[in-house]
Amino acid sequence: AIQLTQSPSSLSASVGDRVTITCRASQDSSTFAWYQQKPGKGPKLLIYDVSTLESGVPSRFSGSGSGTDFTLTISSLQPEDFATYYCQQFTSYPVFGQGTRLEIK
Amino acid sequence: QVQLVESGGGVVQPGGSLRLSCTASGFAFSNYGIHWVRQAPGKGLQWVAFIRYDGSDTFYADSVKGRFTLSRDDSKNTVYLQMNSLRPEDSAIYFCAKVSVTFGETYSDYWGQGTQVTVSS
Repeated sequence: AIQLTQSPSSLSASVGDRVTITCRASQDSSTFAWYQQKPGKGPKLLIYDVSTLESGVPSRFSGSGSGTDFTLTISSLQPEDFATYYCQQFTSYPVFGQGTRLEIK
Repeated sequence: QVQLVESGGGVVQPGGSLRLSCTASGFAFSNYGIHWVRQAPGKGLQWVAFIRYDGSDTFYADSVKGRFTLSRDDSKNTVYLQMNSLRPEDSAIYFCAKVSVTFGETYSDYWGQGTQVTVSS
């Protein structure tokens, strides 16, 4: 079974910081996305196909990577960005990473 | 605007059944597949099942195969997840999510708020 390993599992940062979250896949695939989830809400699609920004998502979010290593970068943290982030890969079904909780320092 | 609303969750004893509904609005429902994803308390996201846009195929995680069944009624813009032989480890918030591309299956661009399922004696 495919596994996605996110790091770090939690992160403390300040408004204005640049933040990077990584995701390593056990299998090569370019079908890769990032989601943001806030408490009590369903996830929100941020980036798909590794680096394509979903409509309406601020340009401070970006995705990169290839093969088995992928990165989500937030260039300048805003107060509304404190949330949990999940990576997702799709081969025959969606598989999610374990999540990265981004907290205010 | 696009909206998905889950309902039907509740508390059920082990071995019991529940039927969850996902009712959609704001898009051409019959052109989109629907995923179900669950989240146990304090845990991450786990894919549960998927139904294609036309209902021609359904797919299930190994952990629910043979116990859960998906169907859809396009006249009601609703997908149903029938859950039988429920186990305590099925306890979670269940989200339905619309795929992002017509006739696709890969990513989900709109999600509901979720419905809580608790399996306990």
